[in-house]
Amino acid sequence: GAVVSQHPSRVICKSGTSVKIECRSLDFQATTMFWYRQFPKQSLMLMATSNEGSKATYEQGVEKDKFLINHASLTLSTLTVTSAHPEDSSFYICSAIDRGGTSTEAFFGQGTRLTVV
Amino acid sequence: GESVGLHLPTLSVQEGDNSIINCAYSNSASDYFIWYKQESGKGPQFIIDIRSNMDKRQGQRVTVLLNKTVKHLSLQIAATQPGDSAVYFCAEIDGGYQKVTFGTGTKLQVIP
Repeated sequence: GAVVSQHPSRVICKSGTSVKIECRSLDFQATTMFWYRQFPKQSLMLMATSNEGSKATYEQGVEKDKFLINHASLTLSTLTVTSAHPEDSSFYICSAIDRGGTSTEAFFGQGTRLTVV
Repeated sequence: GESVGLHLPTLSVQEGDNSIINCAYSNSASDYFIWYKQESGKGPQFIIDIRSNMDKRQGQRVTVLLNKTVKHLSLQIAATQPGDSAVYFCAEIDGGYQKVTFGTGTKLQVIP
């Protein structure tokens, strides 16, 4: 089946630095990828929708200058948390849509645990 | 740091019993629904899906029921096993598959 690879799985960074998270679709082309954030014991909250070759669409309340999304190819989207602060510590998950074949399905990466110290 | 947030509702089930996890969705225009299982520290895993033109779909040990009248989904797990312990989320998807919206989640604890 289709696989989405997310890297890194864990990252610890100092306050004020930037962190880049990669999301790759390994055996399909993903024109659309989603980025989610998940706090402990809560559901996944959509941050933004990333479309290949165009600007990402951010959900209300998500700072686009803080969470930079680049979807430069059909298999790679990146989320950069800029000038990270402790309140940005969270679990970030990407999802890629496989529209090929007879059905459309969303596949999820393994998630990235970000800790800002 | 991270916000504390709400505690997920927890369903405790004896090993071997059947589990029923419920979910209310919000958008009457959603036409595709998926149940996901999320183990600690991992991304969601697809379990089973159902389209809005169906009211029931069965998998290997799982069944999803859809009641569009009251916008309600349920996931039934037969003969629950310790490996089923996880958080389960329902997700509703709009017609153009432009957005996946997750429910609040339910933590399933299987008692050996």
